[in-house]
Amino acid sequence: AQSVTQPDARVTVSEGASLQLRCKYSYSATPYLFWYVQYPRQGLQLLLKYYSGDPVVQGVNSFEAEFSKSNSSFHLQKASVHWSDSAVYFCALSMDSNNRIFFGDGTQLVVKP
Amino acid sequence: GALVYQYPRRTICKSGTSMRMECQAVGFQATSVAWYRQSPQKTFELIALSTVNSAIKYEQNFTQEKFPISHPNLSFSSMTVLNAYLEDRGLYLCGARVGGWDTLYFGAGTRLSVL
Repeated sequence: AQSVTQPDARVTVSEGASLQLRCKYSYSATPYLFWYVQYPRQGLQLLLKYYSGDPVVQGVNSFEAEFSKSNSSFHLQKASVHWSDSAVYFCALSMDSNNRIFFGDGTQLVVKP
Repeated sequence: GALVYQYPRRTICKSGTSMRMECQAVGFQATSVAWYRQSPQKTFELIALSTVNSAIKYEQNFTQEKFPISHPNLSFSSMTVLNAYLEDRGLYLCGARVGGWDTLYFGAGTRLSVL
């Protein structure tokens, strides 16, 4: 069975600092991977997605993620965070012919001024 | 651009009653619609995946008898929560896509409270 694990429930960083949010997946083949963000009282917005090719994918608002097959990971990164990046971030994967997407439990990002 | 609207945004119902929520895709054809429930702890559960002209596929622990879904065309889907109880509380999100491995666009959700 497939699964997505986000080991950090909450991450706190200072504004301007770099950021890495971790995501590990469990699936025998290469899945389709996504990062979504949820701002307070809002739905989900897609940050970026990986299907194949270059393992480093660029997303919106200067976010990027690196796929690693050997580590079964898809960590989200940003060089310099802004206070407006405070939100809950979800890693997700899709791997079956039914195109179902499964989400991790999310990481709450708090950016301190 | 591709937008998904959900309504109502928030609803309160009495225990044992039912409520219907709607999902509208604007700017694209929603061949496939996925309904999720997000718990107060923020975890997601996939309820069902609906594809036009195909049977709706419900995940384990979710049934058509409890969460009937309608997906009559490429822009609209609705789901009803029948006999709602406290454990049905949460944010119900609709995700729609054109098809295949396309991006899933989400609405802002319908928040269900049960008294």
